[in-house]
Amino acid sequence: DIQMTQSPSSLSASVGDRVTITCRASQGISNYLAWFQQKPGKAPKSLIYAASSLQSGVPSKFSGSGSGTDFTLTITSLQPEDFATYYCQQYNSYPLTFGGGTKVEIK
Amino acid sequence: EVQLVESGGGLVQPGGSLRLSCAASGFTFNTYSMNWVRQAPGKGLEWVSYISSSSSAIYYADSVKGRFTISRDNAKNSLYLQMNSLRAEDTAVYYCAEGGFGELPYWGQGTLVTVSS
Repeated sequence: DIQMTQSPSSLSASVGDRVTITCRASQGISNYLAWFQQKPGKAPKSLIYAASSLQSGVPSKFSGSGSGTDFTLTITSLQPEDFATYYCQQYNSYPLTFGGGTKVEIK
Repeated sequence: EVQLVESGGGLVQPGGSLRLSCAASGFTFNTYSMNWVRQAPGKGLEWVSYISSSSSAIYYADSVKGRFTISRDNAKNSLYLQMNSLRAEDTAVYYCAEGGFGELPYWGQGTLVTVSS
């Protein structure tokens, strides 16, 4: 199985900040990587697929990059509605696997 | 608009069974693969099972293999998860998710399964 490791597990940031979350795969997954945002009590919401493609309706403040084993999610100009937990997920092969999550909190 | 609505969750004793359903609308259900993903209280996301559009390919996580069965009824636009021999560690919110190419673009709101005596 492909292990996905996210860092950091949590971070504190202020409104207006730029934050970056990293995700590392235990083996190469090309660009078969997705990012999700989850707010408390809600289902995950797809933000990015194919490592850098924005899902329809997702604001351009979210961006993804990377290929192979190392990936990043960047959020610019952090707003109150962006405080949530973010997960990466590989879909290079089954079983699908997720990173442990990064909780973005208000400083 | 894609809609996925799960149902069937509840409280069940260890060793018991439960059948989850997911009603799909807003897309051509019989052309898309589907998945179940779960989330234990306060924990991260765990993929559970996959079924192809025609049910010809089915996969399970090792943690549920032999106990859970995924199925679908394309005539009813519905996805199912039969869960047997339930354990305390199966306690979670269970989400159905449209498969895309594996990137899971759409999710339901989830249904809570609690396994406890």
